[in-house]
Amino acid sequence: ETGVTQSPTHLIKTRGQQVTLRCSSQSGHNTVSWYQQALGQGPQFIFQYYREEENGRGNFPPRFSGLQFPNYSSELNVNALELDDSALYLCASSLARAGEQYFGPGTRLTVT
Amino acid sequence: AQSVTQLGSHVSVSEGALVLLRCNYSSSVPPYLFWYVQYPNQGLQLLLKYTTGATLVKGINGFEAEFKKSETSFHLTKPSAHMSDAAEYFCAVSDQPGGGADGLTFGKGTHLIIQP
Repeated sequence: ETGVTQSPTHLIKTRGQQVTLRCSSQSGHNTVSWYQQALGQGPQFIFQYYREEENGRGNFPPRFSGLQFPNYSSELNVNALELDDSALYLCASSLARAGEQYFGPGTRLTVT
Repeated sequence: AQSVTQLGSHVSVSEGALVLLRCNYSSSVPPYLFWYVQYPNQGLQLLLKYTTGATLVKGINGFEAEFKKSETSFHLTKPSAHMSDAAEYFCAVSDQPGGGADGLTFGKGTHLIIQP
């Protein structure tokens, strides 16, 4: 059974640019949640996707958007990058909307 | 709204000593509580969770936690620390068994240091 995978592992972007992060959910999981973990902080919930629809959202501006595909993989898009967007972005998949979340290794984004 | 407070951003114990990591939560509904561990450059791994029923929860790697409603606490313990336990530990709360539409609410984490 393949776990949650994320790509890329690291990337560096310039302020004002746009970025897309990718997540492949664990086999059989139909729900994906995204979290932002700033340095020295706990993860913060960005949003959750269930069967290709946004199911819930945390306190993040609209320039954070997402997609979920028919195979339940997901993308996180961030527009107009700001320095404070520098963080580890974690994806978690689950069997259901309220199911146990299994986390991927994360993508470390640096905005300069 | 829910919140989690982890007392002590860093905890240092000797190998073989008791590990105690503190977590207090705030929730307007019966909480579901979690402890996750994060090793350097890795994602989060679930150590244990409280849903309903028994208030003493046993997890992986010899860790356990006790849910105390009257104290709004969910402290993590391990009788004897091992060098491999050195990591960042996060306590989290949710109003659903695994997170749901509002996601998991995490504390800021406690860095556990094991002294040889």
